[in-house]
Amino acid sequence: DIQMTQSPSSLSASVGDRVTITCRASQSISSYLNWYQQKPGKAPKLLIYAASSLQSGVPSRFSGSGSGTDFTLTVSSLQPEDFATYYCQQTYSTPRTFGQGTKLEI
Amino acid sequence: QLQLQESGPGLVKPSETLSLTCTVSGGSISSSGYYWGWIRQPPGKGLEWIGSIYYSGSTYYNPSLKSRVTISVDTSKNQFSLKLSSVTAADTALYYCAGGITYYYDSSWGQGTLVTVSS
Repeated sequence: DIQMTQSPSSLSASVGDRVTITCRASQSISSYLNWYQQKPGKAPKLLIYAASSLQSGVPSRFSGSGSGTDFTLTVSSLQPEDFATYYCQQTYSTPRTFGQGTKLEI
Repeated sequence: QLQLQESGPGLVKPSETLSLTCTVSGGSISSSGYYWGWIRQPPGKGLEWIGSIYYSGSTYYNPSLKSRVTISVDTSKNQFSLKLSSVTAADTALYYCAGGITYYYDSSWGQGTLVTVSS
């Protein structure tokens, strides 16, 4: 299985900050990398697919980059509604695997 | 806009079979190119992919669960289902159904249903 490692596991930030979350794959996954946002008691929500494509309806302050083994999710200016847990996911090979999550706190 | 809704028992006894159904609205489950799947999340933990099914019936399972999992589609009811046999307490989790136009990401998710394995 491909292991996905996110860093940091938790992050404290303020409204208006620019934050970056990193995801590293244990082997190359090309650009088969997605980012999801999960708020407490809610289902994950797709933010970014194929490493850098913004899902319809997602604010443009979210962006993704990377290919191969190293990927980043950036929020350019944090809004109050962005405080949540973020997961990366690879769909390059079966089984699909997720990172352990990054909890973004105020 | 696709909407997905999970349904099924919230309590299952050890060694029995967990059965969940996901009802799709806002679109046809048999639309060409659509994939449907299940993901679970133990309380307070991360996400685990269980498996996916193509609208035509081809299935893809997590090898760690493959011997116990069956995912199927019922086009007449616009539903797909999950069966997980021989459950233990380790299978206690919030189960999500999800799907979308491609195998490579899930753009639509259900709200999730908590299944507890306990006698």
